[in-house]
Amino acid sequence: DTEVTQTPKHLVMGMTNKKSLKCEQHMGHRAMYWYKQKAKKPPELMFVYSYEKLSINESVPSRFSPECPNSSLLNLHLHALQPEDSALYLCASRQAGTGGNEQFFGPGTRLTVL
Amino acid sequence: AQSVTQLGSHVSVSEGALVLLRCNYSSSVPPYLFWYVQYPNQGLQLLLKYTSAATLVKGINGFEAEFKKSETSFHLTKPSAHMSDAAEYFCAVSGRPTGGGNKLTFGTGTQLKVEL
Repeated sequence: DTEVTQTPKHLVMGMTNKKSLKCEQHMGHRAMYWYKQKAKKPPELMFVYSYEKLSINESVPSRFSPECPNSSLLNLHLHALQPEDSALYLCASRQAGTGGNEQFFGPGTRLTVL
Repeated sequence: AQSVTQLGSHVSVSEGALVLLRCNYSSSVPPYLFWYVQYPNQGLQLLLKYTSAATLVKGINGFEAEFKKSETSFHLTKPSAHMSDAAEYFCAVSGRPTGGGNKLTFGTGTQLKVEL
């Protein structure tokens, strides 16, 4: 299995809702990433997990809460989001350590906050 | 610090013509360089990567890129464009793989349009 899967594909939520995005990979990668991408822009890094521990948080607002329950799964919990948080949320994974440096991306979740 | 600059936010070519997408990098350490492609409403797909093994790198879908240290460039080329190549292309750079979470730094992207 050489892919990263993300669910749901689309999500519409109100500003008072709580929802979660899910990302899964079965490539044995031990580094996993969340990115936010606005239209016509490159992805912006949000969080990095390495060996299931949070290693990078790019000063993301606390209304975004990441979780890495095991080496294959990455969640992003959403609460009290703002309309400007509407974007494509991408998950990626990479071999950790000194293995390959390329990241493999999932198809993304298109989030709309009303 | 590392960065990449993509020259030309939009490039238009005719079907069958040469595709050239430009990327220049800045890095204080030997860089690892990547080209990704993104089709509408999809994630990013790795086209090719440079990791110092060879300066001319061949990727998927007939694309290749040449690492030129003297010019700090890593331009993406394809001899003959196809309609299916129309997409957004991102150049990216990172440092040597480490035990922690390596970061990719992306360029601003180039939208490739292929015309009949």
